Amino acid sequence: GENVEQHPSTLSVQEGDSAVIKCTYSDSASNYFPWYKQELGKGPQLIIDIRSNVGEKKDQRIAVTLNKTAKHFSLHITETQPEDSAVYFCAAAPYSSASKIIFGSGTRLSIRP
Amino acid sequence: DTEVTQTPKHLVMGMTNKKSLKCEQHMGHRAMYWYKQKAKKPPELMFVYSYEKLSINESVPSRFSPECPNSSLLNLHLHALQPEDSALYLCASSRQEMGDEQYFGPGTRLTVT
Repeated sequence: GENVEQHPSTLSVQEGDSAVIKCTYSDSASNYFPWYKQELGKGPQLIIDIRSNVGEKKDQRIAVTLNKTAKHFSLHITETQPEDSAVYFCAAAPYSSASKIIFGSGTRLSIRP
Repeated sequence: DTEVTQTPKHLVMGMTNKKSLKCEQHMGHRAMYWYKQKAKKPPELMFVYSYEKLSINESVPSRFSPECPNSSLLNLHLHALQPEDSALYLCASSRQEMGDEQYFGPGTRLTVT
């Protein structure tokens, strides 16, 4: 089955700097890659996603890149702000069982003022 | 309206109690999900309903019993739980089961004493 690895587990960046979180997946049949942000005491919030027919997608300060050959995908947050502090989860979904999204282990992002 | 609501927010129950968690969405989504999330871990899929029929049961113990009364509502009936079942229980929904964005509710924080 699919296995998603996520790094780093914790990340601290200065406000205004960029943050990058990286994930790898094992199942070449995976074709949907969402990213979720989870703030303390809340449910995960979908912030951006990418499908396998696209290499990059951007939404304001966040962007996701996908390298299908290497089975890597990454989240980039630019101009970080205090409200970006949260746990971020990457995930992958194989086309054959697309409702079963497999989550990475999570990255706790802290923004230093 | 992209909101999934869950009640109650917090629940404390004894091992002999029977209780229910409720989830509601009014986005016209036809797939609904129950996840379990332990502290500092990613969500784990428990059940998937598609068009009000159970399509996936991830080998969840029978003390957890899901129910989908209609396309907007999802319940999780709890009976004879164990302390290790204490966790955040998340509901999610998506337009269809296959590869669509999943939107999560805020969760119910369950404590079993």
